[in-house]
Amino acid sequence: DVKVTQSSRYLVKRTGEKVFLECVQDMDHENMFWYRQDPGLGLRLIYFSYDVKMKEKGDIPEGYSVSREKKERFSLILESASTNQTSMYLCASSGDSGANVLTFGAGSRLTVL
Amino acid sequence: GQSLEQPSEVTAVEGAIVQINCTYQTSGFYGLSWYQQHDGGAPTFLSYNALDGLEETGRFSSFLSRSDSYGYLLLQELQMKDSASYFCAVRDYQAGTALIFGKGTTLSVSS
Repeated sequence: DVKVTQSSRYLVKRTGEKVFLECVQDMDHENMFWYRQDPGLGLRLIYFSYDVKMKEKGDIPEGYSVSREKKERFSLILESASTNQTSMYLCASSGDSGANVLTFGAGSRLTVL
Repeated sequence: GQSLEQPSEVTAVEGAIVQINCTYQTSGFYGLSWYQQHDGGAPTFLSYNALDGLEETGRFSSFLSRSDSYGYLLLQELQMKDSASYFCAVRDYQAGTALIFGKGTTLSVSS
């Protein structure tokens, strides 16, 4: 089974802190994605990457950055966390060329106080 | 840009059939996908339609009409375990390799 592992299930951070959310997949997938999920808003795309060191902005990239130094790892960085970034963060990967079948991690619930 | 519309909530009873509709607007279109998410769980892939018509997988079917920018997910012989949120998603030329999701439909199945 494809596994997408997110390093932290729950995090509590203070406003202004730098936050790293790590995601690792074990199936050699080219494509990796970060979404945030909020009640009533569905899943919104933050950033995605189709290759090592490549990144593309999604619909809501403001306040976030990403890093993909190795194929299996895609990190989401909140440079200075704010309360409006309190959310569930979902990482996903896809290996098919059409990128239609995403495998999601279990999610990281971030609370910013 | 892209936009997807789906109902926010649907309720049904065990054994019934329910249809969750999704209309979309995209600048180019590759296909329509459906995902299921149980409370507290991760979204999981259900189906994908690139061409017009019906795709059947067990109790679940998905339909696409490209000319109408419309699709639906059909769930038959509903079971309590089908209570979950269902998301339609599209991939289009602007988004590249990324999927853009709708806001989701919460399905509640009662006995």
